[in-house]
Amino acid sequence: GEDVEQSLFLSVREGDSSVINCTYTDSSSTYLYWYKQEPGAGLQLLTYIFSNMDMKQDQRLTVLLNKKDKHLSLRIADTQTGDSAIYFCAEISGGSYIPTFGRGTSLIVHP
Amino acid sequence: KAGVTQTPRYLIKTRGQQVTLSCSPISGHRSVSWYQQTPGQGLQFLFEYFSETQRNKGNFPGRFSGRQFSNSRSEMNVSTLELGDSALYLCASRFAPSDRLGQYFGPGTRLTVT
Repeated sequence: GEDVEQSLFLSVREGDSSVINCTYTDSSSTYLYWYKQEPGAGLQLLTYIFSNMDMKQDQRLTVLLNKKDKHLSLRIADTQTGDSAIYFCAEISGGSYIPTFGRGTSLIVHP
Repeated sequence: KAGVTQTPRYLIKTRGQQVTLSCSPISGHRSVSWYQQTPGQGLQFLFEYFSETQRNKGNFPGRFSGRQFSNSRSEMNVSTLELGDSALYLCASRFAPSDRLGQYFGPGTRLTVT
């Protein structure tokens, strides 16, 4: 079945850029998503990208999609302590309407 | 616009009991999905309701059930609770099951089974 993989942890210094990576196995993935979960909260939809796009930018967030390598990344520019959270990658494949989520990457931002 | 709300936020139950969790979707959203989140298994899909009918179902035992009301509010029930049911239960809403532009999550209900 579908699988979405993410590294578990990422530590960055405040003000630096963060890059969170995700790989997926289903070549028919049509939509890919990034969600953010802060402690004690639910998941917040940050952005999504359609599979015919290579890049999407939204303020400090840049999403890059390499469909050939089935690789998705989320770049956060000028990372702030408020960006500390767990970031989930998710995908929906062609025949499904239910997203498959990765295990999440815990982003730690230190001063 | 109000977000997805879930009640209660925290719950402590004993093994063998049953529990009902409630979710109110964003106004205008008619699809409600339920997820179980645990450190060991991550985020797992339970089921999705639309127009008061279950449209999709994950791989959970029959002890997990749900329903949806005509105002799109949804409830999830877990009977004969087990220790392993301790988790954060998240509800998510969207316009319809065919809506692939993302789901909107509530804050979750933290269930602890002792």
